[in-house]
Amino acid sequence: QQQVKQSPQSLIVQKGGISIINCAYENTAFDYFPWYQQFPGKGPALLIAIRPDVSEKKEGRFTISFNKSAKQFSLHIMDSQPGDSATYFCAAGHRQGAQKLVFGQGTRLTINP
Amino acid sequence: KAGVTQTPRYLIKTRGQQVTLSCSPISGHRSVSWYQQTPGQGLQFLFEYFSETQRNKGNFPGRFSGRQFSNSRSEMNVSTLELGDSALYLCASSTGGQGSPEAFFGQGTRLTVV
Repeated sequence: QQQVKQSPQSLIVQKGGISIINCAYENTAFDYFPWYQQFPGKGPALLIAIRPDVSEKKEGRFTISFNKSAKQFSLHIMDSQPGDSATYFCAAGHRQGAQKLVFGQGTRLTINP
Repeated sequence: KAGVTQTPRYLIKTRGQQVTLSCSPISGHRSVSWYQQTPGQGLQFLFEYFSETQRNKGNFPGRFSGRQFSNSRSEMNVSTLELGDSALYLCASSTGGQGSPEAFFGQGTRLTVV
C-alpha cells in the first residue's frame, strides 16, 4: 500500500520533444506528490509538486498532471533540452504531520541533441 | 540562504565498524529526514526527526539510529557495518510545519563498506 510505481525506467527523447514520466500510487491517504530531479553526484532537487485537489500544475516547461480516480500522476517536460538529462523521481507523502516520502524507482532521462 | 549541508561527503569503512553522519538543515527548518539511496532499492526512508523527537521510522534494522540536537542539526549512526550498507545517505530538511511539506535534500554522504 505504500508503493509508488514509476515508468519507464529509462527514456530517450530528442531535443525539443516532450518527455513524459508516469507514476501510480496505492495509498489514498497520500496528499502530496512531488517530483525530484537528480544529477550524478548530487542530491535530489525539488522540481515541482502537486496536491490531489488540483488536476494540473505548470511551472515553466514542467507540468504535473494528476488523476485522482486512477491514482496516477505524470511529469511532462516540454521542449526537452540536453540539460534536462538527469534521473527523475516521483514521490508521495503527506502535507501535514510526519515528513516521510515514498519514492518511485526513478527514470533516467537522456535528451539527445 | 544556505542549503542542507551533509558531512562528510565520502567515507570508507570496514565491516563491523560503526559510522556517524552529520546533517545541518536549512536555517529555520525543524524537520530532518534521512534516506538511503542504492541502485537496487532506490530511495528508502530511514527516519525523521522534528524538534529533537523521532516522529517516523522506516523499515531498517536497529543498527541504524539517529538523533537531533536543539539547533536542529541531526546525526545518523550505523553500527556493525555490513557490505550492504554501502549507499548514498541523504538527509532532507523541511519546516515540518502544517501544510509545508517541501523537503530539500543535501548532496549526501557516500558510504563505502569494505
